[in-house]
Amino acid sequence: DIVMTQSPLSLPVTPGEPASISCRSSQSLLHSNGNNYLDWYLQKPGQSPQLLIYLGSNRASGVPDRFSGSGSGTDFTLEISRVEAEDVGLYYCMQNKQTPLTFGGGTEVEIK
Amino acid sequence: QVQLVESGGGVVQPGRSLRLSCAASGFIFNGYGFHWVRQAPGKGLEWVALIWSDGTVTYYADSVKGRFTISRDNSKNTLYLQMSSLRAEDTAVYYCARGYSGYAFTIDSWGQGTLVTVSS
Repeated sequence: DIVMTQSPLSLPVTPGEPASISCRSSQSLLHSNGNNYLDWYLQKPGQSPQLLIYLGSNRASGVPDRFSGSGSGTDFTLEISRVEAEDVGLYYCMQNKQTPLTFGGGTEVEIK
Repeated sequence: QVQLVESGGGVVQPGRSLRLSCAASGFIFNGYGFHWVRQAPGKGLEWVALIWSDGTVTYYADSVKGRFTISRDNSKNTLYLQMSSLRAEDTAVYYCARGYSGYAFTIDSWGQGTLVTVSS
C-alpha cells in the first residue's frame, strides 16, 4: 500500500497570511500519462470532507483561487495564499493512483 | 444539487451484520462510481470500498475485504454497504461519496455520514 505522510500535524495561521501543507507518498504518484494522482480535501469542523484539489493541481469547482496545489512524484504541497477564518479545519491528502486509496493523517489548520 | 443521504447506522454487537444505504439525488446516478469512506471517532479518513458505475467492478480495503460488500441498485439510485462479522475497530462514521466523472477514484461529493458503533 502507498503510505501518505503529511506535515505539519498542526498549523496555527494568521488571517491574511499564507499557509503551506506538505504531503509525501511512499511511491511515485506520477503516471506515464503525466498526471499526478493526488487529491486534497478539507473537513471543516462538524462537516463532511470536501474536495479542494484533484490530480495534484486542479482546483475543484467552486474552490477559491487562494487555494493551489503543486508537486510531482512523491512530494506535494497545498498552499493557501491568504488564509481566511473559514479555512480552518482538517486538511487531508489522498493518493488515488492505485487501490487501496490512502489518506494522509491530516493537518489541522487553526487561527492564531 | 447533489444529495447523498446515508442511513442504516446504529449500535450493533461484535460479530453481527449491518447494511448501510445511501440514497442519491440531483444527478444521473448510473453515470458515477461510488465510494464508502469511514472515520473512526477522533481519527482520520479511511477509504473502505469503491464500485464502478455499472456495478461490475469493486475494490476494497484490506481491513474489510471478505467481510464487507459494496453494491448498488441503479433503478433505485441507491448505494449499499453490507457489513458482516463486525468488529469494535469498525466503529466509525461511514460516508457515502461520489466518484468524479472524469476519474472515479477522485471523490467530488460526500454525504453527511452515518455512525456505526460496534459494541457489546
